[in-house]
Amino acid sequence: GESVGLHLPTLSVQEGDNSIINCAYSNSASDYFIWYKQESGKGPQFIIDIRSNMDKRQGQRVTVLLNKTVKHLSLQIAATQPGDSAVYFCAENSWSNTGNQFYFGTGTSLTVIP
Amino acid sequence: DAGVTQSPTHLIKTRGQHVTLRCSPISGHKSVSWYQQVLGQGPQFIFQYYEKEERGRGNFPDRFSARQFPNYSSELNVNALLLGDSALYLCASSPGTGNYEQYFGPGTRLTVT
Repeated sequence: GESVGLHLPTLSVQEGDNSIINCAYSNSASDYFIWYKQESGKGPQFIIDIRSNMDKRQGQRVTVLLNKTVKHLSLQIAATQPGDSAVYFCAENSWSNTGNQFYFGTGTSLTVIP
Repeated sequence: DAGVTQSPTHLIKTRGQHVTLRCSPISGHKSVSWYQQVLGQGPQFIFQYYEKEERGRGNFPDRFSARQFPNYSSELNVNALLLGDSALYLCASSPGTGNYEQYFGPGTRLTVT
């Protein structure tokens, strides 16, 4: 079956440094990938997405890279701030015989050290 | 504009009971998805509804069911509750079922004793 997983469960970075969170996926038919941020006690918050026909997309302080050859997704956060401390999930969207499907990874906990 | 709202916030049920969770999407959004998030794990997809029709179903038993109303709000029903159903149940809304950004609500924390 499909799986979306993260290489590192925890990540600590110094304030101002760049952060990189990685994710592997196994369903080559997935056509849409999303990064979410979840703070304690809240629902996931959309950060950035990318479609399978792209390999890079940039937002405000964030960049998502998609490498379809090795089925790898990464989230880069520039100039990491204390407010970036949260759990980050990658997710993929695909179609199956039961319709639209969304798969989330297990999450990476990012801690920003002031 | 109001975001996705869910009710109740917290709920405690006993094994074998039934529960109904409710979700109101963002105004203008026609699709609602439900997820189960066990502590320390990522959300697991349960259902997606669009225009009152089921458009996607995750790997959950038939004890889980859902429906969407004409005003696009949605209910998730779980029958014969098990201890393992204890989790945060998240609702997300989006304009459609394609590659659209999903907006999540704060969730309903269900505890089964």
